[in-house]
Amino acid sequence: AQSVAQPEDQVKVAEGNPLTVKCTYSVSGNPYLFWYVQYPNRGLQFLLKYITGDNLVKGSYGFEAEFNKSQTSFHLKKPSALVSDSALYFCAVRDAGGYNKLIFGAGTRLAVHP
Amino acid sequence: NAGVTQTPKFRVLKTGQSMTLLCAQDMNHEYMYWYRQDPGMGLRLIHYSVGEGTTAKGEVPDGYNVSRLKKQNFLLGLESAAPSQTSVYFCASKEQGDPTQHFGDGTRLSIL
Repeated sequence: AQSVAQPEDQVKVAEGNPLTVKCTYSVSGNPYLFWYVQYPNRGLQFLLKYITGDNLVKGSYGFEAEFNKSQTSFHLKKPSALVSDSALYFCAVRDAGGYNKLIFGAGTRLAVHP
Repeated sequence: NAGVTQTPKFRVLKTGQSMTLLCAQDMNHEYMYWYRQDPGMGLRLIHYSVGEGTTAKGEVPDGYNVSRLKKQNFLLGLESAAPSQTSVYFCASKEQGDPTQHFGDGTRLSIL
């Protein structure tokens, strides 16, 4: 069965420290992977995606993600966290069944404290 | 740039009432999707459409109906609302050839 797992409900980091939000996936074939961010009372905003090519993908607001095929992971990273990065982060994988449906993880709440 | 617009933003219904949620996109996207977001469960796909006049069921379609009479609009209907349908509903769209979905700001629906 296709699925996405975000093993941490919450991640807490201090401002200025590096952050990592973890994501693992299970899907048949080559995965299309995505990260979205949700601020309070807003919709999901696209951060970055991996389709093919370089395993390190750079996205918006200084975020990047590393695709690791052997570990079936796609962790989101940022070298230096900001308080304004505090939000809910979703990892998603494209459903191999077609029509570009997305399968989402449960989300990880990132809290960056001063 | 309006992007994906959802109306209404908030609504409270009584059990058994009906309502329609509207999603409008101004990007000429072919594909449109309706999701519901519940705490600890991420987003789950309700219905989707791959073009004007077409609709298909997603992961959790029961209790919902949809229509795509115009390319820019995707309507989600609840014929007889139930408390289990209390959720935040998100609409998304994407263009042909790009897998990235673009989301609206959501409709917060409470059913008493």
